[in-house]
Amino acid sequence: GDSVTQMEGPVTLSEEAFLTINCTYTATGYPSLFWYVQYPGEGLQLLLKATKADDKGSNKGFEATYRKETTSFHLEKGSVQVSDSAVYFCALSGKDSSYKLIFGSGTRLLVRP
Amino acid sequence: EAGVAQSPRYKIIEKRQSVAFWCNPISGHATLYWYQQILGQGPKLLIQFQNNGVVDDSQLPKDRFSAERLKGVDSTLKIQPAKLEDSAVYLCASIQWVGELFFGEGSRLTVL
Repeated sequence: GDSVTQMEGPVTLSEEAFLTINCTYTATGYPSLFWYVQYPGEGLQLLLKATKADDKGSNKGFEATYRKETTSFHLEKGSVQVSDSAVYFCALSGKDSSYKLIFGSGTRLLVRP
Repeated sequence: EAGVAQSPRYKIIEKRQSVAFWCNPISGHATLYWYQQILGQGPKLLIQFQNNGVVDDSQLPKDRFSAERLKGVDSTLKIQPAKLEDSAVYLCASIQWVGELFFGEGSRLTVL
């Protein structure tokens, strides 16, 4: 079945460092891909999404490009801030799955001043 | 716009007891989901409702879990009897028809 694999955390970075969180997927057809973020004590929030190959999703300085050839959707940010400390989840939704999301296991990011 | 409301936020019970969680989705959202998030894992879908009908409950352990969405608005998820492995955060999410899926803050269950 469909699945999402993302790099294990925690990822610890200094402020202004470059961030990459790897995400790969297995799916039949062409799913939509998402990154969700969960800040401490808060619910899951959509960070960005891409619905077809080569699409780039972006929000709040974060970017991810839908790569069909490598089945990847890596999350990047050029300069992280302490406020970016959170758990990041990669997820997919099959074209016929009515927004039923399949999530990766999450990657905790800790940004130190 | 009010978000997805869930209660209670925290619940501690003994194994074999029962528990119920409540969700009030965003007004006008036709589709509602319940997810289970075990510590260290990503959320896993339990059940999907479209208005007051069940669309997908294939991942719901029906021997102990039940859910309903009367009148197509609020929803309740019940566990009876609870097991230790049911300790998790139960997330409710809703979506209008298309667009963004909105999540509640979740209900954290600890089974002792």
